[in-house]
Amino acid sequence: EVQLVESGGGLVQPGGSLRVSCAASGFTFSSSGMSWARQAPGKGLEWVSTISGSGGSTHYADSVKGRFTISRDNSKNTLYLQMNSLRAEDTAVYYCARNLGYCSGGICYSGPWDYWGQGTLVTVSS
Amino acid sequence: EIVMTQSPATLSVSPGERVTLSCRASQSVNSNLAWYQQKPGQAPRLLIYGASTRATDIPARFSGSGSGTEFTLTISSLQSEDFAVYYCQQFNTWPYAFGQGTKLEIK
Repeated sequence: EVQLVESGGGLVQPGGSLRVSCAASGFTFSSSGMSWARQAPGKGLEWVSTISGSGGSTHYADSVKGRFTISRDNSKNTLYLQMNSLRAEDTAVYYCARNLGYCSGGICYSGPWDYWGQGTLVTVSS
Repeated sequence: EIVMTQSPATLSVSPGERVTLSCRASQSVNSNLAWYQQKPGQAPRLLIYGASTRATDIPARFSGSGSGTEFTLTISSLQSEDFAVYYCQQFNTWPYAFGQGTKLEIK
């Protein structure tokens, strides 16, 4: 059974840093691209970042580029999101998700996402 | 950057009714479009990908159609467990974007 379990959320002051983690099990972690998405309280979903299975390719939303870093440790089956220079608008539930591995017309995409964790709440406030 | 627009924002429907949700992309995303369902306090659940392919264990009452810039999600006969928020997402071009969601509520 595929499981994704986030941890590391909490309260942090504006300008501070936090690292959230996602422990994966039930599939070959190193073969799957992974992503982070977030959802501010009462709002919709926002894609944050994506990393390939090897970790060699990463993508970021403009809203977090230069402040957040996605990484993975395939020996530990764990995905990370290092968040620096946090702002109030970064307050959200952060979800990790697994890339389905969808390919069409000879191109393989980093979406959609077939398994999601339960999320971890990050609150940025003084 | 591709913008995804869903309509309507809220839809009041009765159980057993057929409902169609719309999603429009600001430029072509080919068929690289997914639909997710999210219930309060839960993570999103993948329903449809490739615009029309049902994900694993998704009931046949859910169907998707469209390509390019116009997409629809149809639920043929609403069940009580279908009342939720539905999001479309394009994964054709970075940055991947979600629509703002359509909330299905009980009439």
